[in-house]
Amino acid sequence: GQQLNQSPQSMFIQEGEDVSMNCTSSSIFNTWLWYKQDPGEGPVLLIALYKAGELTSNGRLTAQFGITRKDSFLNISASIPSDVGIYFCAGQLVMRNTDKLIFGTGTRLQVFP
Amino acid sequence: EAQVTQNPRYLITVTGKKLTVTCSQNMNHEYMSWYRQDPGLGLRQIYYSMNVEVTDKGDVPEGYKVSRKEKRNFPLILESPSPNQTSLYFCASSFTGTEQYFGPGTRLTVT
Repeated sequence: GQQLNQSPQSMFIQEGEDVSMNCTSSSIFNTWLWYKQDPGEGPVLLIALYKAGELTSNGRLTAQFGITRKDSFLNISASIPSDVGIYFCAGQLVMRNTDKLIFGTGTRLQVFP
Repeated sequence: EAQVTQNPRYLITVTGKKLTVTCSQNMNHEYMSWYRQDPGLGLRQIYYSMNVEVTDKGDVPEGYKVSRKEKRNFPLILESPSPNQTSLYFCASSFTGTEQYFGPGTRLTVT
């Protein structure tokens, strides 16, 4: 099955730093979503994007739907220890009727005090 | 509280012994789905259901069965589990299939 290219695979940062991660694909998506997974838990939806160029914030998180519709970006400002976890992007394909989400392989974030 | 529940959360079983993982949601969602999560492979869809009695294969359906007799429940059935089905399994639900809400996961080990 198709997967999204998500980078970086892992990040080790100091508390207070800003974080950027992205997802790219060779396919065009009509929806992008960003999830966070805490250890031992299921993924939790952070942000959903529905229009190319859309920029949406959720607290310290900001995500953008790329203009080409083939990529998306997530930024976290002023990181804190509870930001630790795995961040997944997910895209919904344009021409499919199945409402299927394609997931990235995740970015593992570690925040050091 | 709106939620997706899965049971059991942890399961260790032996090869060939049929098992069922239950999934239930209380949000009146029409869309439900099962995923497996393996290191380095992310989340891969096993089966999904657009509504009651409507199910379809995802990317990795081999060795799994599902049923959707009621809107709120979507059990995952492994008729004859094998070690390569050792994984972390997630159920998810949504109104449309886009903004999916995930359960807490079921960690399955097949020996």
